[in-house]
Amino acid sequence: AQSVSQHNHHVILSEAASLELGCNYSYGGTVNLFWYVQYPGQHLQLLLKYFSGDPLVKGIKGFEAEFIKSKFSFNLRKPSVQWSDTAEYFCAVNAGNNQGGKLIFGQGTELSVKP
Amino acid sequence: DAGITQSPRHKVTETGTPVTLRCHQTENHRYMYWYRQDPGHGLRLIHYSYGVKDTDKGEVSDGYSVSRSKTEDFLLTLESATSSQTSVYFCAIRGSSGGAGTSTDTQYFGPGTRLTVL
Repeated sequence: AQSVSQHNHHVILSEAASLELGCNYSYGGTVNLFWYVQYPGQHLQLLLKYFSGDPLVKGIKGFEAEFIKSKFSFNLRKPSVQWSDTAEYFCAVNAGNNQGGKLIFGQGTELSVKP
Repeated sequence: DAGITQSPRHKVTETGTPVTLRCHQTENHRYMYWYRQDPGHGLRLIHYSYGVKDTDKGEVSDGYSVSRSKTEDFLLTLESATSSQTSVYFCAIRGSSGGAGTSTDTQYFGPGTRLTVL
């Protein structure tokens, strides 16, 4: 069965620090990969997605992620975080042959940015 | 904004009572999903629908049923609520960035319903 692991449960950074959140998945075939963000009290919003092509994907608000197939990873990065990036971040995967389009989510990483 | 609304947004109920949550979409999407969100578990799929009257189970379907009698509405029912079903419930639709039914589809989420079962 597919699974997604986010190793960092809670990350605390100061403003302007660089961010990298880890995401690893277990599935050997074609995958579609997503990062979602949930600001306090709000619903999930799509940050970025990877389906195919350039493994370095750029999303909204200065975020990017790199798909490394050999490592089954899709880590999220931002060079300089802001207080407004405080939120919970979720990595999600679906198998390319998944007809139902079902997503498997990681446990989430809570990011706290100190001003 | 994917045109998704959920109702109610908050509900407190007692153990053993039936509860129905509603998800409504305005953009005629074929696929709709119900997830629950719990600390340390991320989001887990309860049920999904791939058309009117077409539904299937997800990862955590026990204790839940769903119905979809028209394209725009997807209902989630807890027949007899238990305290373990206290959670935040999110509905999602599957939008298309490469044509309906392609593998490039992306899910977009509603605002959520916070359910407390006492």
